[in-house]
Amino acid sequence: DQQVKQNSPSLSVQEGRISILNCDYTNSMFDYFLWYKKYPAEGPTFLISISSIKDKNEDGRFTVFLNKSAKHLSLHIVPSQPGDSAVYFCAAGGGSNYKLTFGKGTLLTVNP
Amino acid sequence: NAGVTQTPKFQVLKTGQSMTLQCAQDMNHNSMYWYRQDPGMGLRLIYYSASEGTTDKGEVPNGYNVSRLNKREFSLRLESAAPSQTSVYFCASSHWTGGNFGETQYFGPGTRLLVL
Repeated sequence: DQQVKQNSPSLSVQEGRISILNCDYTNSMFDYFLWYKKYPAEGPTFLISISSIKDKNEDGRFTVFLNKSAKHLSLHIVPSQPGDSAVYFCAAGGGSNYKLTFGKGTLLTVNP
Repeated sequence: NAGVTQTPKFQVLKTGQSMTLQCAQDMNHNSMYWYRQDPGMGLRLIYYSASEGTTDKGEVPNGYNVSRLNKREFSLRLESAAPSQTSVYFCASSHWTGGNFGETQYFGPGTRLLVL
């Protein structure tokens, strides 16, 4: 069973607009959530994280929102730039388990 | 700091051949991981090591072995490569302090493996 789901395989956005990437999880033991960005032929790079004691975390153009009751998190990128075009992975972990569980990723394309 | 380094970057094997993928980190992290990435499958955990001297199976361990050589190095071995092991392999590390929150993992650049 897939404990972390990214239901949109791809998303296309115009430069300057908002990009919203979504992620759902099923395991209520998860209490730490991360977003990674991956360019082709490179390793994933950490982007932003949020713990379950918060519902929002912001870092520059990137904001992650957590809705624990809905078991849903989202990544907002404002404004979107062509350099943001990449695959974005949602990951979750926590409890006594330090491992992370990853979603399958969403390919974001930001068009100039 | 080089972060997490992996060698080789690319390798072609014939079915049945063996090879070892090397990973090293210079961040003094306790935990290290091996993942594989396949199209449409995301990142799947092969093996992990919570600390020096310990290793555990992840989601897809069959056909692989690992060695945590020391705190810095974690290698992944394919004893008899199969075409199904064609993939991109990523090593990662993190500093788990035993708390209730997970720890951020940092990834290497990957090894592309093609098994013919």
